[in-house]
Amino acid sequence: ETGVTQSPTHLIKTRGQQVTLRCSSQSGHNTVSWYQQALGQGPQFIFQYYREEENGRGNFPPRFSGLQFPNYSSELNVNALELDDSALYLCASSADRIYEQYFGPGTRLTVT
Amino acid sequence: ILNVEQSPQSLHVQEGDSTNFTCSFPSSNFYALHWYRWETAKSPEALFVMTLNGDEKKKGRISATLNTKEGYSYLYIKGSQPEDSATYLCALISSNTGKLIFGQGTTLQVKP
Repeated sequence: ETGVTQSPTHLIKTRGQQVTLRCSSQSGHNTVSWYQQALGQGPQFIFQYYREEENGRGNFPPRFSGLQFPNYSSELNVNALELDDSALYLCASSADRIYEQYFGPGTRLTVT
Repeated sequence: ILNVEQSPQSLHVQEGDSTNFTCSFPSSNFYALHWYRWETAKSPEALFVMTLNGDEKKKGRISATLNTKEGYSYLYIKGSQPEDSATYLCALISSNTGKLIFGQGTTLQVKP
């Protein structure tokens, strides 16, 4: 059974640029959730995808967008990067929408 | 805005001590509660998913209880070991969208 993987591991971008983060879900899982974790805080929910449809969104602006593909892998896109977007981005997959989530190792994004 | 509160924020105990943490949430917004353990340099790992008032779950030396009417969950660790050192996160699901609202976590340090 392959776990949740994320790429890249680390990324440095300049303010105003765009970034795409990728997540491969665990085998058999149809749901992917994305979180932003700033230092000293718990992860903040960005959005969830269930069977390729967005199924809930947190308090993030529209420049945060996502996709889920037929193989249930997912992308998080962030446009017009701001300094405050610097954080650890976690994705998690689950067998259904409210089941326990299996987290990937995260992508550390730094915006300068 | 739903708030999930965890206390204490951090805890230092000696090996062999038993300890417990609290997760508080609005009782009117309950659908399910998750507990995760997050060790440094690793991904968050699911401990428990709790859905019913009065639920008690156990995994080895770790157990959790749930009171949805008064809006709290306790996590207990019996006979703490250095390998229990981690941040323990609880997360509330308030609807079937699967949106996880995390608390800020309790960081446990167990000294040998």
